[in-house]
Amino acid sequence: KAGVTQTPRYLIKTRGQQVTLSCSPISGHRSVSWYQQTPGQGLQFLFEYFSETQRNKGNFPGRFSGRQFSNSRSEMNVSTLELGDSALYLCASSLLGTGRKAFFGQGTRLTVV
Amino acid sequence: GIQVEQSPPDLILQEGANSTLRCNFSDSVNNLQWFHQNPWGQLINLFYIPSGTKQNGRLSATTVATERYSLLYISSSQTTDSGVYFCAVERPYAGGTSYGKLTFGQGTILTVHP
Repeated sequence: KAGVTQTPRYLIKTRGQQVTLSCSPISGHRSVSWYQQTPGQGLQFLFEYFSETQRNKGNFPGRFSGRQFSNSRSEMNVSTLELGDSALYLCASSLLGTGRKAFFGQGTRLTVV
Repeated sequence: GIQVEQSPPDLILQEGANSTLRCNFSDSVNNLQWFHQNPWGQLINLFYIPSGTKQNGRLSATTVATERYSLLYISSSQTTDSGVYFCAVERPYAGGTSYGKLTFGQGTILTVHP
């Protein structure tokens, strides 16, 4: 069974640009969650999607958005990038999104210059 | 929201030593996982353990949900055990605010010297 796949692995963007990250969950998993990891704030929850619907959202500005497709693949978008958005972005896949084991992808390391 | 505290923040060991990592959480949980973050950033599942005890090779974990803590034991440590260990918890359903949301501790940085 293939694991969680995130693309791209690395990105360098300029302030003000926008970026889209992709996450393909484990086959059969319908829940995808996104997390931001920075040295100062640790791992913080961004949002969760289940069957194409956002069910939960963390405390991030509206510049951070996401969506999920019918095949459960998910994308997150960050618009008007700021230097502080530089981070490792991780996505997690689980069967139902609650009370179940979560499996993480390798992450996308975003650097904003 | 729920608070998760891990201790110690840093741990330095010689190869072959044993260690215990602790995770305290402030509220009831329906999900607790231990992860090892590898040097490339991926979070590797070690245990899914909302309660009870599990063992996997040199690693074992115990969660005492009623007392709101979990322990990760590493025996006969190896240099490949180095990295950051995270505990993450999920609260039971609370009107949708718990869906897919794991709350992480700050991690324990483990360094194993040969």
